[in-house]
Amino acid sequence: NAGVTQTPKFRVLKTGQSMTLLCAQDMNHEYMYWYRQDPGMGLRLIHYSVGEGTTAKGEVPDGYNVSRLKKQNFLLGLESAAPSQTSVYFCASSAGTGRVTQYFGPGTRLLVL
Amino acid sequence: AQKITQTQPGMFVQEKEAVTLDCTYDTSDPSYGLFWYKQPSSGEMIFLIYQGSYDQQNATEGRYSLNFQKARKSANLVISASQLGDSAMYFCAFRGMNYGGSQGNLIFGKGTKLSVKP
Repeated sequence: NAGVTQTPKFRVLKTGQSMTLLCAQDMNHEYMYWYRQDPGMGLRLIHYSVGEGTTAKGEVPDGYNVSRLKKQNFLLGLESAAPSQTSVYFCASSAGTGRVTQYFGPGTRLLVL
Repeated sequence: AQKITQTQPGMFVQEKEAVTLDCTYDTSDPSYGLFWYKQPSSGEMIFLIYQGSYDQQNATEGRYSLNFQKARKSANLVISASQLGDSAMYFCAFRGMNYGGSQGNLIFGKGTKLSVKP
């Protein structure tokens, strides 16, 4: 049982390049989330999805796009990377809200030069 | 808007002693939940414990317990009998139970780095 997986684990980009981060979960969860973690800032929500084909903006959505074409996958795209997007990105999934916890992937470390 | 505060950037505790990590929140929601997560140096986020605002008792999970004081809007994590493996970042997170819009999302504090000394 893999849980939540993220691809890639680490990536270096040059300013202006684009890339897509892939999140996959095998728990049949409806909800999926993308966070970024910066030193001293905790986790901040970028975008989230409450089901296949749906997406919504979180706290810090600018510069990112997402897609949820399949229930098990949630993609995070950076169209034109900026140094301010250097961060650790976490994907999470959950069966719902309320008392239900979110399950996190191992994270993707992104460095934008 | 909800706000969650962890006032201790870093803490030290002696092995086998108990430690309390502080978490306060600000909300006007009558129904909400508080989560605690552990992030070891390896980076993964591990769920520890949950407290609902209407729960009759403070939550406990093994060596973890919550000192939940609703009137003070605090949900402090207590770790008993600290172990070297408890050294990690600890995050408190808030979730409002008004399910409309983004209210079901988690709002994280900035975390507390706990170091357990042998």
